[in-house]
Amino acid sequence: GAVVSQHPSRVICKSGTSVKIECRSLDFQATTMFWYRQFPKKSLMLMATSNEGSKATYEQGVEKDKFLINHASLTLSTLTVTSAHPEDSSFYICSAGSRGGYEQYFGPGTRLTVT
Amino acid sequence: EDQVTQSPEALRLQEGESSSLNCSYTVSGLRGLFWYRQDPGKGPEFLFTLYSAGEEKEKERLKATLTKKESFLHITAPKPEDSATYLCAVQAPQGGSEKLVFGKGMKLTVNP
Repeated sequence: GAVVSQHPSRVICKSGTSVKIECRSLDFQATTMFWYRQFPKKSLMLMATSNEGSKATYEQGVEKDKFLINHASLTLSTLTVTSAHPEDSSFYICSAGSRGGYEQYFGPGTRLTVT
Repeated sequence: EDQVTQSPEALRLQEGESSSLNCSYTVSGLRGLFWYRQDPGKGPEFLFTLYSAGEEKEKERLKATLTKKESFLHITAPKPEDSATYLCAVQAPQGGSEKLVFGKGMKLTVNP
């Protein structure tokens, strides 16, 4: 199946700093990438959808100025959590969909801890 | 509004004890129904996509089926390594969006 990577897998940062998470599709071109957030023992919550070369579409209640998404190429999307606070601590997961296909393939996730 | 409900929320089985997980959905214009497996601390792993009622797909001990209102994930003679959270999601065309709507998941524990 298609492979999606995320980096870093874990990150600890201080309150007020920014953190960038990378999502890469390794063996296919991802026309669309999705960013999710998952709280402990909860299902995935979609944060935003990004298409290569265009602005991301954010879900209701997600602050676009806090969670900056860039989808600069068909294999790379980044999520930057700006001015992080402890309540931003969570498990962030990206997924990627290929052109013409309906399946989404997920990355391994990034555990963010803000102290 | 598109909705996905999974039941039961948690299930404990003995090794070899077959069972089924249910995913019921309400969606306008189903494009696809997806099953994923998620292990703790990891991203979801793609299992199946079902597109139309009557469709079935199999992979090892797992078999997924689809009707117009629900999908079942049948687990035959499960092993402890099948323990995981199983997620069901639907995709419907919403203004061209391809986003998935997930159920809350079903945590399966298979005891040896």
